[in-house]
Amino acid sequence: DQQVKQNSPSLSVQEGRISILNCDYTNSMFDYFLWYKKYPAEGPTFLISISSIKDKNEDGRFTVFLNKSAKHLSLHIVPSQPGDSAVYFCAARSGLVFGAGTILRVKS
Amino acid sequence: DVKVTQSSRYLVKRTGEKVFLECVQDMDHENMFWYRQDPGLGLRLIYFSYDVKMKEKGDIPEGYSVSREKKERFSLILESASTNQTSMYLCASSPPSGRYTQYFGPGTRLTVL
Repeated sequence: DQQVKQNSPSLSVQEGRISILNCDYTNSMFDYFLWYKKYPAEGPTFLISISSIKDKNEDGRFTVFLNKSAKHLSLHIVPSQPGDSAVYFCAARSGLVFGAGTILRVKS
Repeated sequence: DVKVTQSSRYLVKRTGEKVFLECVQDMDHENMFWYRQDPGLGLRLIYFSYDVKMKEKGDIPEGYSVSREKKERFSLILESASTNQTSMYLCASSPPSGRYTQYFGPGTRLTVL
């Protein structure tokens, strides 16, 4: 059973608009979450993280929101750029558990 | 600069062959990981290691084994390759804490015919 779920396989957004990628988890013991970005033929690279003691963490155009009661987190990218087109993975437990990924396409 | 390297970018093997995938990191990290990435399934953890000569099974260890004789090197072994092991294999390393991010290698695309 998947402990971390990314239910949207893909997302298409116009350049300059907001991209929202979602992630749900089942284990309330998870206390740290990470987002990774992956381009084709490359390994994933770390993007942003959030501890369960926070509900928001921001880094430039990227913001992650955590709703512990709903066991849900989301990654917001504003404004979206064509270079953001990649696969985005949500992860918990320091990488021991990953979601299936969401393919983001930013159209110019 | 942080670096994780994998021995091959592309590999083609035949069913039944023994396959070695090598991963080397230069960051003196204690933790090392092997994943496979498949469409719709994301990254699934095969094995990980917290220290030299130590290993822990991940979610899908069947058909795989690992070796960690030196801190910087973590090898994934397919004892008898099968077609369902055709996949992208990713190695990662991280420092010894629950809050550190992982650094990934570029991946090895393995095709088993």
